[in-house]
Amino acid sequence: AQSVAQPEDQVNVAEGNPLTVKCTYSVSGNPYLFWYVQYPNRGLQFLLKYITGDNLVKGSYGFEAEFNKSQTSFHLKKPSALVSDSALYFCAVRALNSGNTPLVFGKGTRLSVIA
Amino acid sequence: DGGITQSPKYLFRKEGQNVTLSCEQNLNHDAMYWYRQDPGQGLRLIYYSQIVNDFQKGDIAEGYSVSREKKESFPLTVTSAQKNPTAFYLCASTTLTGPGDYGYTFGSGTSVTVV
Repeated sequence: AQSVAQPEDQVNVAEGNPLTVKCTYSVSGNPYLFWYVQYPNRGLQFLLKYITGDNLVKGSYGFEAEFNKSQTSFHLKKPSALVSDSALYFCAVRALNSGNTPLVFGKGTRLSVIA
Repeated sequence: DGGITQSPKYLFRKEGQNVTLSCEQNLNHDAMYWYRQDPGQGLRLIYYSQIVNDFQKGDIAEGYSVSREKKESFPLTVTSAQKNPTAFYLCASTTLTGPGDYGYTFGSGTSVTVV
């Protein structure tokens, strides 16, 4: 079975400070990993993905994520947070060879960037 | 522009009433998905379809029904059997063939409220 854990419901960070949103996963075999962002009353927008290759993935709006296979983690990071980054963030996973099974999403982490 | 269109944006359901949420995509994507979003519970899969005239139940299919008569369309009916339909409903789609990461494109969502 596939699963994703986002251990923090809420992350608060001051504007200009670095931010980290945590994600750990469980799949059989190698994973596809994704981060999405959701603004109020909107659908999810793609931020970045890890399929294979370099463990540090760069995405939209200055976000990046580091794949760590030994810790089964895929934490989202940004060097300098903006107030406009305040939103709900979702991590998602599926196994690389799972026969097109649907993505499994975490429960989401609400990021609040304070000016 | 290609994308997914969900309608209506807001829907008010009376007790015992069936209501249908529309989801249309012009991305030529093979698979389509319906998720339910409740605060603090993340995204839960209701139904998905990988090919026309075929669909599979997700984790919370009870009280819902779907059809996939056309590749572009995947409507969701919230039936009177769904006792707690108040939630935000998200439709998504992805390709399943050729090179790619199979990440999802999301619609902007439909908010359903019981009145």
